[in-house]
Amino acid sequence: GAVVSQHPSRVICKSGTSVKIECRSLDFQATTMFWYRQFPKQSLMLMATSNEGSKATYEQGVEKDKFLINHASLTLSTLTVTSAHPEDSSFYICSAEGTMNTEAFFGQGTRLTVV
Amino acid sequence: GIQVEQSPPDLILQEGANSTLRCNFSDSVNNLQWFHQNPWGQLINLFYIPSGTKQNGRLSATTVATERYSLLYISSSQTTDSGVYFCAVLGGTASKLTFGTGTRLQVTL
Repeated sequence: GAVVSQHPSRVICKSGTSVKIECRSLDFQATTMFWYRQFPKQSLMLMATSNEGSKATYEQGVEKDKFLINHASLTLSTLTVTSAHPEDSSFYICSAEGTMNTEAFFGQGTRLTVV
Repeated sequence: GIQVEQSPPDLILQEGANSTLRCNFSDSVNNLQWFHQNPWGQLINLFYIPSGTKQNGRLSATTVATERYSLLYISSSQTTDSGVYFCAVLGGTASKLTFGTGTRLQVTL
């Protein structure tokens, strides 16, 4: 299957700082990437859909100014958590698909802890 | 939007046992995937199965789209099968996956 690489896998940051998470499709071009958040023992919740070269589409209740998404190329999308607070601590995971509505592949996830 | 329910929510098996996990969805789907989330959080693709039956080693899956359910079979379970199993669907005109509630599996020696 296709490979999606997410980096970093784990990050600890201080309150008020910003953290950038990268999601790369290594062996295919991803027209669409998705960002999810997962709380302990819960399912994945979609935060936003990222399309190359256009603005991301955010799900209801997700602050676009807090979670900045950039999809500058067909192989890279980034999620920046701005002015992080302890309540932003969570597991963030990205996925990518080559053509629309085909099989999705997921990155390894990033565990963010804000202290 | 489409609703996706999985059962059972929790399952404890002894190594070597077989199990069936179920995924029910509330509307027609264009895509259905099964994933295994390992203890480190990574989602491993198991099956891409909007309809029909597929097998991969000890795992197999069947989706009956007309009756809006999918089943994941695990045979001769091993401790490495432990983790959370999710189904996710792409329903109707949607362009994003909706995840089910998950089944947490623990395989003991």
